[in-house]
Amino acid sequence: GAGVSQTPSNKVTEKGKYVELRCDPISGHTALYWYRQSLGQGPEFLIYFQGTGAADDSGLPNDRFFAVRPEGSVSTLKIQRTERGDSAVYLCASSLGRMTQTGVTEAFFGQGTRLTVV
Amino acid sequence: AQTVTQSQPEMSVQEAETVTLSCTYDTSESDYYLFWYKQPPSRQMILVIRQEAYKQQNATENRFSVNFQKAAKSFSLKISDSQLGDAAMYFCAYISGRNTDKLIFGTGTRLQVFP
Repeated sequence: GAGVSQTPSNKVTEKGKYVELRCDPISGHTALYWYRQSLGQGPEFLIYFQGTGAADDSGLPNDRFFAVRPEGSVSTLKIQRTERGDSAVYLCASSLGRMTQTGVTEAFFGQGTRLTVV
Repeated sequence: AQTVTQSQPEMSVQEAETVTLSCTYDTSESDYYLFWYKQPPSRQMILVIRQEAYKQQNATENRFSVNFQKAAKSFSLKISDSQLGDAAMYFCAYISGRNTDKLIFGTGTRLQVFP
């Protein structure tokens, strides 16, 4: 597709349930990022993939959060035993390579998934 | 740890006028990059402008320009000839030039544009 696509756009789930959030990056982009944006805050880094591997997962808040990118394209963010504090907008972004790499000028963001845990 | 501070939660400007959004950051590094992102109600973050710390010249993109003061660790965004479509949340962001790929964002400034 032309841009980064995230599905679903909105997700409401009950406390304790498992959810999966999907990100389709721009074709050919090797770098993929997940961020979490709580109400009234800027996005916070969760995890970065280079190809299929998680190059940096230091932003994942705890072991209930996990992300995969098995074929180096689509990524899924998985949240187990959801809590009300997990409610936020989850943003995905992709870029041609590392953002500090020569020739890579920006990361392109999707429209996010708004997760509401009730 | 690096931090980014946006001290103006909200700003407003009249259409066709100029407005400046403030951003300060804290880092001990000399190699880094700074960004301004726009987030309209659609939630999609859109890059407005990018500045490499090693460049002394301030970046410009059409009506958008920055005032980059490296010694003061200040990175303000100036929007000239404001348009109704400029209304959005604006986020300042920092990324280290070292081997990392984390964008560190400020808390944002909501810009309102009045006709």
